[in-house]
Amino acid sequence: AQSVTQLDSQVPVFEEAPVELRCNYSSSVSVYLFWYVQYPNQGLQLLLKYLSGSTLVKGINGFEAEFNKSQTSFHLRKPSVHISDTAEYFCAVSGTAGNMLTFGGGTRLMVKP
Amino acid sequence: GAVVSQHPSRVICKSGTSVKIECRSLDFQATTMFWYRQFPKQSLMLMATSNEGSKATYEQGVEKDKFLINHASLTLSTLTVTSAHPEDSSFYICSARVPGALRDTQYFGPGTRLTVL
Repeated sequence: AQSVTQLDSQVPVFEEAPVELRCNYSSSVSVYLFWYVQYPNQGLQLLLKYLSGSTLVKGINGFEAEFNKSQTSFHLRKPSVHISDTAEYFCAVSGTAGNMLTFGGGTRLMVKP
Repeated sequence: GAVVSQHPSRVICKSGTSVKIECRSLDFQATTMFWYRQFPKQSLMLMATSNEGSKATYEQGVEKDKFLINHASLTLSTLTVTSAHPEDSSFYICSARVPGALRDTQYFGPGTRLTVL
């Protein structure tokens, strides 16, 4: 079984500032890791994913995340945020043998002008 | 590519009625689809895994007789909330697993907001 912890439920940040959304996971097996974004009253959109290979993963909208196996983390970063990045962000994990996703509690990113 | 649609996007019904929600993969065939529910300001909780041509696998605590899932084709899965009650009001989201090289990734539909009066 896997679990995912997103340490911050809300992250306020000013426009054009950098941001990091934290995600830690626990699993007894190898994992795949994902970040999804959800805009109000919408479904989830895949931002990026780590399956294997380079631990630094680049996604859409200028986001990137780094897989750190020793710290069991997959933090999401963006060097300069925009107002339009205001949304809910979910970190998720699945085992490599299966396809069931386990989600973290979500982090609400609030970008202020 | 990898577009998933849901219909309806919003539904309001009276207590005791049944509501059917459709989830379609528009540009790929999905042997496996997933149904989630999301309460306000909370994360997604997996309800069931829907496999084409076989019975759905329900998560612990999800009533299979209340949430009927049918995955009759490779592009369509339906969730029917039977005898809906106000506590069933929620945001229901489906996802589909893309076959082939992207098989480890789920793509999500836009969600269906169910309100039971």
